[in-house]
Amino acid sequence: AQSVAQPEDQVNVAEGNPLTVKCTYSVSGNPYLFWYVQYPNRGLQFLLKYITGDNLVKGSYGFEAEFNKSQTSFHLKKPSALVSDSALYFCAVRDILNNFNKFYFGSGTKLNVKP
Amino acid sequence: EAQVTQNPRYLITVTGKKLTVTCSQNMNHEYMSWYRQDPGLGLRQIYYSMNVEVTDKGDVPEGYKVSRKEKRNFPLILESPSPNQTSLYFCASSPGQGTYGYTFGSGTRLTVV
Repeated sequence: AQSVAQPEDQVNVAEGNPLTVKCTYSVSGNPYLFWYVQYPNRGLQFLLKYITGDNLVKGSYGFEAEFNKSQTSFHLKKPSALVSDSALYFCAVRDILNNFNKFYFGSGTKLNVKP
Repeated sequence: EAQVTQNPRYLITVTGKKLTVTCSQNMNHEYMSWYRQDPGLGLRQIYYSMNVEVTDKGDVPEGYKVSRKEKRNFPLILESPSPNQTSLYFCASSPGQGTYGYTFGSGTRLTVV
């Protein structure tokens, strides 16, 4: 079965420190992977995606993510966290093999960046 | 501006009173979907539509209906709402091809009392 796991409900970091939000996936074939961010009282906004090519993809607001096929992971990273990065982050995979349009979302990770 | 528009943003209703949450996109996207977001459960897909007059159930379709009579609109209908349908609802759209992500609406917070 296709699935996405975000093992941490919450991640706490100090402003200026690097941050990592973890995501692992299980899907048949090659995955299309996405990260979304949700600010309070807002809809989800697209951050970045991995389709093919370089394993390190760069996205909005200074975020990047590293695709690791052997570990089936797609961790979100940022070298220096900002207080304004505090939000809820969702990892998602699009199953292009069995159901071309279906997205599977993780349960979300709340990122808290302290001043 | 390219966007997905949901209405209303907030809705409080009583058990059994039929309601409709509207969703409209201006990007000519083929694929549209409804999700509900509940604490600890992430996003769960209710229904999706791959094009006009083509809809299918997602993971949690019970108690919901949808229609896709026009490409831009994808309303979510609760014929007889119950308190367990209290949730935050999101509409999303995407071009039909798999390399694209979703564009999400701003959400509808529904409370059923």
